[in-house]
Amino acid sequence: QSVLTQPPSVSGAPGQRVTISCTGSSSDIGAGYDVQWYQQLPGTAPKLLIYGNSNRPSGVPDRFSGSNSGTSASLAITGLQAEDEADYYCQSYDSSLSDWVFGGGTKLTVL
Amino acid sequence: QVQLVESGGGVVQPGGSLRLSCAASGFTFSSNGMHWVRQAPGKGLEWVAFIHYDGSNQYYRDSVKGRFTISRDNSKNTLYLQMNSLRTEDTAVYYCAKDKRCGGDCYFFDYWGQGTLVAVSS
Repeated sequence: QSVLTQPPSVSGAPGQRVTISCTGSSSDIGAGYDVQWYQQLPGTAPKLLIYGNSNRPSGVPDRFSGSNSGTSASLAITGLQAEDEADYYCQSYDSSLSDWVFGGGTKLTVL
Repeated sequence: QVQLVESGGGVVQPGGSLRLSCAASGFTFSSNGMHWVRQAPGKGLEWVAFIHYDGSNQYYRDSVKGRFTISRDNSKNTLYLQMNSLRTEDTAVYYCAKDKRCGGDCYFFDYWGQGTLVAVSS
């Protein structure tokens, strides 16, 4: 069971906007630890998508954005494209465990 | 460009041992902390261990404490994971990942290797 909670799946049609939620607790996101998002395409390693809650590394399209509030965070993807079909993971740090923690992952299906 | 290349995975019996390696290039290895993260087949990501840039401190998730040892050789730009007393639940793809901070409360992984598969089975 993952420390951070994500929906198992989301879907949307090309061009639409989807959001993926990530719920934590008072010892991770709620304690002020930043949230990151990773994209994992089928059969590949994870790739950093968002860091520090809302920052995009160089090369990541601005269709991807992150936000957080309280003990939760969200990843939004606008202008959905077929190539966005992947698993998405949120990640933070848990001060009570002294562990880097992940959500269980969300599979995005582009209809 | 940053490259992380893992090796050493394979099939091992329960109770056995395996040592993973991660060859790093494209950045100053000796100035960066490093992690091992694993992913069981069809499952999510799970952090395993972290080592400081100079090897002075190591941290582990509870389920591997006392069985796994993370280490590094900065002269060879290589990260290691010695895995002893392996269990079936340790079966996973093991990724090495570079540590990154973006402020006091921002801890993450900015680059990942391609992973190496460890299968613990009798």
